Amino acid sequence: SQQGEEDPQALSIQEGENATMNCSYKTSINNLQWYRQNSGRGLVHLILIRSNEREKHSGRLRVTLDTSKKSSSLLITASRAADTASYFCATPAYSGAGSYQLTFGKGTKLSVIP
Amino acid sequence: GAVVSQHPSWVICKSGTSVKIECRSLDFQATTMFWYRQFPKQSLMLMATSNEGSKATYEQGVEKDKFLINHASLTLSTLTVTSAHPEDSSFYICSARDRQSGRTETQYFGPGTRLLVL
Repeated sequence: SQQGEEDPQALSIQEGENATMNCSYKTSINNLQWYRQNSGRGLVHLILIRSNEREKHSGRLRVTLDTSKKSSSLLITASRAADTASYFCATPAYSGAGSYQLTFGKGTKLSVIP
Repeated sequence: GAVVSQHPSWVICKSGTSVKIECRSLDFQATTMFWYRQFPKQSLMLMATSNEGSKATYEQGVEKDKFLINHASLTLSTLTVTSAHPEDSSFYICSARDRQSGRTETQYFGPGTRLLVL
């Protein structure tokens, strides 16, 4: 089952505006990661926020994490047409012997109109 | 930065044939590689986790005899779709974890392989 659920599923904004995407998850996590996927391409890691962090910045990206609400948000400021992509949150799950895997949400498809 | 490549990027094949997809970590050693499939407008679904020198761990519902995974070295994993059928048509993506980097929680993704079975 999907651990992360992004909201909204699709978002269309004008270039220069800010874009906010949300992610909710169900179980306890050590960290939460955001990835971007351009159409028909692989994923690019954007940012990782740990469970003891509340906010993290990277360039025009700002990620928040609220472990009490089991939710995270990704804010892209001053959006550009090149930001058009699908954005996924992902949470890790650890099993025995150090095994680890990521579970991805359904994603938010962002369209930035020039 | 860490780069993962996949080959081929596109493959079209006839039903019943087998297709091999390669995933390589170009500038780092990968302790673990992951194989995902993604249907149009959907998220990535993990198929299997591949550790170098050992058998892959398959997710529930993924047929290990149909999707053969070989992780022969720390830089190469292969996924073979045996006796492919049209329902196997999908976008297959691999990822790898960097063995030596402190950022072992980050996965580096390949560009994906689009498979179309006619």
